[in-house]
Amino acid sequence: DTAVSQTPKYLVTQMGNDKSIKCEQNLGHDTMYWYKQDSKKFLKIMFSYNNKELIINETVPNRFSPKSPDKAHLNLHINSLELGDSAVYFCASSQTSVSGELFFGEGSRLTVL
Amino acid sequence: GQSLEQPSEVTAVEGAIVQINCTYQTSGFYGLSWYQQHDGGAPTFLSYNALDGLEETGRFSSFLSRSDSYGYLLLQELQMKDSASYFCAVSRGATNKLIFGTGTLLAVQP
Repeated sequence: DTAVSQTPKYLVTQMGNDKSIKCEQNLGHDTMYWYKQDSKKFLKIMFSYNNKELIINETVPNRFSPKSPDKAHLNLHINSLELGDSAVYFCASSQTSVSGELFFGEGSRLTVL
Repeated sequence: GQSLEQPSEVTAVEGAIVQINCTYQTSGFYGLSWYQQHDGGAPTFLSYNALDGLEETGRFSSFLSRSDSYGYLLLQELQMKDSASYFCAVSRGATNKLIFGTGTLLAVQP
């Protein structure tokens, strides 16, 4: 069983389109995250949810809207896609207690043409 | 602000020992984590240090000095499969919100 799973793994789309990425974790964790990894491999946190509540929003453009229907799911919707949105988006989850350990999904590679 | 610095690339031979350093500047420092990422794969957790000293897990060890804002990852008995990117990451406050360094690409040669 995959602990953190994301779909789709690959997305190729045109500028201006809207797309969504879904994430699910079966680890029973309370906290989920979205990270963006650019072409230089820099991993940057975008959002964090704890028990369906947004707790971190790292000055991400409001074209990006996360949604957490329950604590096992965190989706990411992106409106009006731009070339600079091309990246790998990783979903992750963790326990609430501090451990320094995040469990990452396999990533969703978004290419905007 | 906050920053983490790591060497961009390190090369070593099979069987050798390599140390990847990480220096950080951040307020509210809580702990330092290390992650491994193979090309095309997901970052995977290696270790976490909240206190000064050395933590050992098999061939990998991680060290932290809070007074020096410095840590390192030590990989022993290098294998070809250790070729990957290695990231240090700091957690601020009592959360698992991690700020990642720019990563070190380790190339293990025969």
